[in-house]
Amino acid sequence: NAGVTQTPKFQVLKTGQSMTLQCAQDMNHNSMYWYRQDPGMGLRLIYYSASEGTTDKGEVPNGYNVSRLNKREFSLRLESAAPSQTSVYFCASSGRSFNEKLFFGSGTQLSVL
Amino acid sequence: KQEVTQIPAALSVPEGENLVLNCSFTDSAIYNLQWFRQDPGKGLTSLLLIQSSQREQTSGRLNASLDKSSGRSTLYIAASQPGDSATYLCAVRRGLGYNTDKLIFGTGTRLQVFP
Repeated sequence: NAGVTQTPKFQVLKTGQSMTLQCAQDMNHNSMYWYRQDPGMGLRLIYYSASEGTTDKGEVPNGYNVSRLNKREFSLRLESAAPSQTSVYFCASSGRSFNEKLFFGSGTQLSVL
Repeated sequence: KQEVTQIPAALSVPEGENLVLNCSFTDSAIYNLQWFRQDPGKGLTSLLLIQSSQREQTSGRLNASLDKSSGRSTLYIAASQPGDSATYLCAVRRGLGYNTDKLIFGTGTRLQVFP
C-alpha cells in the first residue's frame, strides 16, 4: 500500500521556468492538499481539493495552479518559477470525515535559482 | 485568526526521560487537533488525533491531552528512546463554519533523545 506518492523528490529550476508536481493517493480519499514548508514558517496551505472536481485557495496560492485530475491525482503547477518558491512541497490526503487523519507524501525539495 | 504556537522550538533529553511537548492555540473553536512526527527529509506522520469532545488520546508510549478552554494541548512521551528523535508538530482543524477544511500547523518542536 503506497499511500501518498509525490514526484519528483528533487528539482532545480531557473527563474521563469515552469514545472508540475505530481501527487497520487491510493486510499480512496476525497480531500487532497498541497503545502509548502519553509524554515521558521511551518507548513502553509497552498491549495486544497475537498472532492473530485473542486479546488480552493489556501493561505499562499499566488504563483501556483492546481488540477484535481481525478479522485486519485492532484497536481501543482508553477507557471513561472521565482526564487521565493524555493521550498519543500508536501502533498497530503484525508478521508471524507473531518475527524480522519491526514496522510502525507515524502515531499519535493524545489530550488529556484 | 487562529494561531498555533509550540514551545520550546528544540529540546534535548537523555534516554529514558518522560517528557512533555506543548502546543497552544488562540481560538478555542476547533474541530480537532492532531499531533504529527516528522523525520529529517521525510513527510509528516499523524500520531494522534483528538476530537474537540475528547480530553485525551493514547497510543503506546504517547499520550495527547486537549484543553479547549485554555487553548492548550500536550504530547506526553513516556520513557523516551533515541528513536523518538524527530520534529513534532501539532495542527488544529477549525470548527464548523470556520474553514473547517483547513489545518493550521505550529512550527514544531525538534526533539533529540541521546543515549
